[in-house]
Amino acid sequence: LAKTTQPISMDSYEGQEVNITCSHNNIATNDYITWYQQFPSQGPRFIIQGYKTKVTNEVASLFIPADRKSSTLSLPRVSLSDTAVYYCLVVSADSNYQLIWGAGTKLIIKP
Amino acid sequence: GAVVSQHPSRVICKSGTSVKIECRSLDFQATTMFWYRQFPKQSLMLMATSNEGSKATYEQGVEKDKFLINHASLTLSTLTVTSAHPEDSSFYICSASIASGTNEKLFFGSGTQLSVL
Repeated sequence: LAKTTQPISMDSYEGQEVNITCSHNNIATNDYITWYQQFPSQGPRFIIQGYKTKVTNEVASLFIPADRKSSTLSLPRVSLSDTAVYYCLVVSADSNYQLIWGAGTKLIIKP
Repeated sequence: GAVVSQHPSRVICKSGTSVKIECRSLDFQATTMFWYRQFPKQSLMLMATSNEGSKATYEQGVEKDKFLINHASLTLSTLTVTSAHPEDSSFYICSASIASGTNEKLFFGSGTQLSVL
């Protein structure tokens, strides 16, 4: 499975838009990208998933360029409650959808 | 989204005892469930893949006789930590997959914090 690289930590302020970029240089043709959010002592929560171009849902947007070697999670107008660890994962449909978890990005939102 | 219920959320036990953790998919059937463990400030580490009606597939380095997995139905998988020791203390998380078009989405339980004294 393709490995992912993302910043270890990021800071931002309430009301700002936050973009977290993840690189996945060796992504394969059938792989797709998924982002999860995890709060301390809780299981990860699905945020968004995409294969290419742009995907938007009620909580976030996911931007994937044509070469798919990176992806950017965009959180609009963050609040203090968005402080969490965000994981970028590449999922291979050819390997029983196993996920290899990277280090994640610890996002801290300040007032 | 789909709901995965994990129980108990926290357990404290004495060294040498066994602990069972349950993972249930509440509103969907899950032929495959995954079990992870997570140490403080670290990522999730896949322990095993649980398939309904068959033996679990364990990741390298995970003792199958230590971590017993049973997936007897499409909505329930259990992880039993046998003869637990302090080094088994960790946060255990289960997940279940659900088809979403051509892709699969994973939904996670709330986790179980195991503390072995």
